[in-house]
Amino acid sequence: EDKVVQSPLSLVVHEGDTVTLNCSYEVTNFRSLLWYKQEKKAPTFLFMLTSSGIEKKSGRLSSILDKKELFSILNITATQTGDSAVYLCAANAGGTSYGKLTFGQGTILTVHP
Amino acid sequence: EAQVTQNPRYLITVTGKKLTVTCSQNMNHEYMSWYRQDPGLGLRQIYYSMNVEVTDKGDVPEGYKVSRKEKRNFPLILESPSPNQTSLYFCASSPSVTYEQYFGPGTRLTVT
Repeated sequence: EDKVVQSPLSLVVHEGDTVTLNCSYEVTNFRSLLWYKQEKKAPTFLFMLTSSGIEKKSGRLSSILDKKELFSILNITATQTGDSAVYLCAANAGGTSYGKLTFGQGTILTVHP
Repeated sequence: EAQVTQNPRYLITVTGKKLTVTCSQNMNHEYMSWYRQDPGLGLRQIYYSMNVEVTDKGDVPEGYKVSRKEKRNFPLILESPSPNQTSLYFCASSPSVTYEQYFGPGTRLTVT
């Protein structure tokens, strides 16, 4: 059974702190790993990772994938209150399960002023 | 405006009364998917569709049906809803499964 596990489940920090969110996966014929941010509405896309060791960056957010150890991390530097959200990672399967997307439970990030 | 729409946005119904949640996208995307979101469980995939007339089960398909007769529409059908199907439902679409998915606004369903 495909599985994606995120840690920590929740995190409380102060503005300016740096945070690292973890995502480990066990997915049949893994193809890609996606990160989403969810505020009080639908998830919005952050990153898609397919190659090991290549960092994707967007402003203060960055993410990297380790296909050997089957995990990804999402880093947020100089956090702001607007970063408060649930962060979801999802792994896309291949082979006969191509099209299947398994999400983790999410990490609830709270950034205090 | 490129978007995924879902209707209704909120629905309260009773056990056993058949219902359909519609999902429509105007981006000519091939891939569409339904998820449910429950506290502490993240998003769980119910069904997905790679293209017209092609649908497959996700992780939690029991109690749900879908159809993909046209590219733009992917309705979710609950033939006999039960209280354990009370949840927040999201429809999503993308050009292909390996691209980012665009999510609809969500449908909050309560089954009493």
